[in-house]
Amino acid sequence: SQQGEEDPQALSIQEGENATMNCSYKTSINNLQWYRQNSGRGLVHLILIRSNEREKHSGRLRVTLDTSKKSSSLLITASRAADTASYFCATASGDTGRRALTFGSGTRLQVQP
Amino acid sequence: DAGVIQSPRHEVTEMGQEVTLRCKPISGHDYLFWYRQTMMRGLELLIYFNNNVPIDDSGMPEDRFSAKMPNASFSTLKIQPSEPRDSAVYFCASSSGTPTQYFGPGTRLLVL
Repeated sequence: SQQGEEDPQALSIQEGENATMNCSYKTSINNLQWYRQNSGRGLVHLILIRSNEREKHSGRLRVTLDTSKKSSSLLITASRAADTASYFCATASGDTGRRALTFGSGTRLQVQP
Repeated sequence: DAGVIQSPRHEVTEMGQEVTLRCKPISGHDYLFWYRQTMMRGLELLIYFNNNVPIDDSGMPEDRFSAKMPNASFSTLKIQPSEPRDSAVYFCASSSGTPTQYFGPGTRLLVL
């Protein structure tokens, strides 16, 4: 079963609006990552936030992490049609040494031009 | 760098046939992962290797699945015999000393 659950499952917005996606997870983590998947393509890493960080920015992306609530959010500001994709959160277990990622169910983002 | 390379990109086969998926990781990466993506189950880890050694194969569905990494630049995932429920997109990913994983384009498998 998926470690993370994301909401919403689907989101449709207009170009220029902000998009917020949420992710919840169940176990302790070392870090949390967000990946993007364009239709028919592989996943691309967007941003990583460590368990001792609360917020991180990268360009138009802003990620927050609340380890007490076991949740994270990804905010894309001033969205563009090219941001249309599925977005996944991924966690690495708190167990040291285990490198495998557990992915959330994903949010499908549609940005209307 | 060419990124992670997977072949074939698409595979259509009949139930009972053997299927072999191939992956070339990014040069210098010492971790290699195989994932499967379906609508019902999302992205699931099948197996991962470190320095060509399988570390965790708990995600391999059953004995019909096997994976090998004979050297640092090549890995295979084999399904024998294949079944319709194996239809999915299979991704290979690699990483080095950081948690970030780099994914290949995937192999879309359809078992009829």
